[in-house]
This record gives sequence, structure tokens and C-alpha cells, in this order.
Amino acid sequence: KQEVTQIPAALSVPEGENLVLNCSFTDSAIYNLQWFRQDPGKGLTSLLLIQSSQREQTSGRLNASLDKSSGRSTLYIAASQPGDSATYLCAVRPTSGTYKYIFGTGTRLKVLA
Amino acid sequence: DTEVTQTPKHLVMGMTNKKSLKCEQHMGHRAMYWYKQKAKKPPELMFVYSYEKLSINESVPSRFSPECPNSSLLNLHLHALQPEDSALYLCASSHPGLAGGPSQETQYFGPGTRLLVL
Repeated sequence: KQEVTQIPAALSVPEGENLVLNCSFTDSAIYNLQWFRQDPGKGLTSLLLIQSSQREQTSGRLNASLDKSSGRSTLYIAASQPGDSATYLCAVRPTSGTYKYIFGTGTRLKVLA
Repeated sequence: DTEVTQTPKHLVMGMTNKKSLKCEQHMGHRAMYWYKQKAKKPPELMFVYSYEKLSINESVPSRFSPECPNSSLLNLHLHALQPEDSALYLCASSHPGLAGGPSQETQYFGPGTRLLVL
């Protein structure tokens, strides 16, 4: 059974720091992995999607890497800003034919001004 | 337009009420999803529609009844809910995969409906 873990559960950093969020999954049989951002009480915003054949994706200050064989992904945020404060969720799409994304429990990030 | 809209934003209902949640997208996506999210938990998949047909029902109680009247709209009809059904209900859409199966593409989420059942 696929399990997705995110460490740390919460993170508080001063503005301007570079930071790394971690996502681990137990089964490497995935189509893709997606990173989402969720503001309190709001919907999810897709940040980056990495297909299983890719190693990384970049969008602005965000860089996501995928090491499928070791079951790990990282989300790197450069020069963090208070507006980056949110919960970050990773989700994997198994190859088992299900529609279900398996979500991690998220990392709550707070960037202090 | 990469927007998924949901109405209402907030809903309070009694256990005997009947209400509906609405979701709309105009991105041409033919796969649409309902998720339930409790506080500080990840979203849980409830239903998936592919080409307006129900593809997945994740063993959701019958007091939740989905409907997909056309390719842009998705409804969730609520009846005789319980207080533990209080949650954020999220709608999402994506292109379907090959032969209408699971998509490998990004899901776009709406802002959600915050439901409180008294």
C-alpha cells in the first residue's frame, strides 16, 4: 500500500531563507508526483508536476526534484517570502490504474517578515 | 481560463436539510472530481466523473449523491447529513487519460465549499 510522508510537519523560517521540503513515498510505481500549495480554508493550487521519467521541474523560485528509485521528492523554495506561507502538499499518482492521488499530510510553512 | 469555481463558499445545514454544491469549469476538461477535506488532513477522493459518467465512487455514503449534467458542471447533492460530514468540499478537474482512464496531467482545484452540519 502506497504511503506518502512529509517532513517536517511544520516549519518557520525568516524571510529570505532558501528552504527544502521533503516528501517520501513507499512504492516507486508512480505515474507522476505533484506539489500543491494550500492557503488556510482554500483550495489547492498546483505548483509543479513531475512525470516519473523526469528528474526535476522548475517554476520561478520553485524547484522540485524526483528520485523515484529511492522514493523521494524535494521542493526547493529560493529566497522565501511571507507570501509563501501556506501548507505544501505532495501527491503521487500510482500506476495501479486508480484515479486516486495519494496525498502526504503536508508541511505548514510560515515565513516571518 | 484555468479556473474552477465552486458555489456556495460556505454552507450551514441541519441534518434534515437537502442542499447541493456546484462546481463549474470551462477548460474543456472531461474528468471532474469531488474531494472531502477535514481540518489539517489531506484531501480524500470521493467521486470521479469521466466524460460525464461516474467512474469512481470511493465507498461514499448514499447521503452524498453526485451528478454531472454536462461537461462543464458537477454537482454534489446532500441529504440527511451527519455532523461528522462537516468539512471543506473540493472540486477538481483535469483532462482524462487514455480511454477515459486516470490522467497523468495536472488537476485544477476549486476554492472549496466550507460545509457545517448542525
